[in-house]
Amino acid sequence: DADVTQTPRNRITKTGKRIMLECSQTKGHDRMYWYRQDPGLGLQLIYYSFDVKDINKGEISDGYSVSRQAQAKFSLSLESAIPNQTALYFCATSAGIRNSAQFFGPGTRLTVL
Amino acid sequence: AQTVTQSQPEMSVQEAETVTLSCTYDTSESDYYLFWYKQPPSRQMILVIRQEAYKQQNATENRFSVNFQKAAKSFSLKISDSQLGDAAMYFCAYRSAFGGGGADGLTFGKGTHLIIQP
Repeated sequence: DADVTQTPRNRITKTGKRIMLECSQTKGHDRMYWYRQDPGLGLQLIYYSFDVKDINKGEISDGYSVSRQAQAKFSLSLESAIPNQTALYFCATSAGIRNSAQFFGPGTRLTVL
Repeated sequence: AQTVTQSQPEMSVQEAETVTLSCTYDTSESDYYLFWYKQPPSRQMILVIRQEAYKQQNATENRFSVNFQKAAKSFSLKISDSQLGDAAMYFCAYRSAFGGGGADGLTFGKGTHLIIQP
């Protein structure tokens, strides 16, 4: 079974709709992240969480919110989706800053019409 | 803020040959980590290799090795004996060793598309 899972894997929605992307992990890591990837670009950090009570904005947090429901679960919400939020979204986990590799989920392809 | 630059949008190599992908970065920090990630058509992000800035020895993972030049802020990836399965986008990434206070997460380059010619 995959260590980091994301649901849904693909989603098409309309402008103005609320949508939630979910991430679960079985790696036992404290830190979780949400990234966005646009065509021809690397990944950009949206939000990250050090633990259930600690959530921080990344470089492109506008238009997004997150919820850390448990150590293993981290959700990303688009309250009112817009077309330029069409992208590939990745969840990642990390054990901590001195064990610094991040491990990624399979990604969610989101299309906003 | 740190920046990561990959100056080769696309590279092509013959199967079984060796190829080197370039990456440069800009930072004022002395302690950090550098990574290469592979993204095949399946879109999964796969960790290839990592390097700690405080280590002078270049990291090696089987056919993958890096040339880390700290003073030049250069971090290239060498793939030996290229295989068809190596075809993918390759991303160079930087992470501060300090983290916290809004400074966590990876900073990525824009990627290099590697083509393997049979």
